[in-house]
Amino acid sequence: EADIYQTPRYLVIGTGKKITLECSQTMGHDKMYWYQQDPGMELHLIHYSYGVNSTEKGDLSSESTVSRIRTEHFPLTLESARPSHTSQYLCASSDWRRSSYEQYFGPGTRLTVT
Amino acid sequence: SQQGEEDPQALSIQEGENATMNCSYKTSINNLQWYRQNSGRGLVHLILIRSNEREKHSGRLRVTLDTSKKSSSLLITASRAADTASYFCATDLGASGSRLTFGEGTQLTVNP
Repeated sequence: EADIYQTPRYLVIGTGKKITLECSQTMGHDKMYWYQQDPGMELHLIHYSYGVNSTEKGDLSSESTVSRIRTEHFPLTLESARPSHTSQYLCASSDWRRSSYEQYFGPGTRLTVT
Repeated sequence: SQQGEEDPQALSIQEGENATMNCSYKTSINNLQWYRQNSGRGLVHLILIRSNEREKHSGRLRVTLDTSKKSSSLLITASRAADTASYFCATDLGASGSRLTFGEGTQLTVNP
C-alpha cells in the first residue's frame, strides 16, 4: 500500500462554495500530481509539482489552484465550485530523485457539485 | 488527440483464461507503464517497460513493447476473479517532468 492519503473521500457541495481537497504523502517524494477522472474515462493531468514552491499546470485546463509549501502536502482548491467540476480527483506522487518513474496514487476524492 | 489508446474497451473472460489488452501511442516514449484501478479507487502501478526493452514479466503479468509499431500489450495469465478491474496504459515522454499520459483503459471482468 502506498502512503498517500486524500481527504475527504466523498464531498457533496453546493454551487459557489470554496473547497479544498487535501493530499498528503509520507514517502518524501519530490514530485506530486493531481488528475481528474470522469467515470469510466481516462485520467487527465491538471496540476503537478517538482517540489516545494513549484507548481505547474497540466494538460487539462482547470479552474482549480494548487500550492506546495511542504514536501508532503499538495492541496487543491476550487474558489467557486460549479456542477461542471463534478468528477473524481486523484492525487499521486513519484520519487524522481531516485529516478523512479512509477507514480503512487491516493484513493481519490469523489466530488459532486449540486 | 489521445497519446495512448487501448483496446478492447471491455473484456469479459472466465477464470483461468488469459486476458490480453493492447495499447497504442503516437509519439516516442521514454517508458510505458501499466496501472490497475479497482472500481472507484486510486490506481496501482503494475509494471514499467523502458523504450529499450521488448518484454518484461512480473508474476502472472507479461508486457511487450514494440516501438516500431508504437504499441504495447499486457497479458494476464491464469486470470482470477480478483483481477476484475480497469487497466490503463500510461506513456512517459521522458521530457522534464515525468508526466504520464493515460489511455482510456480496458475494463476487465473475470467471471468465476
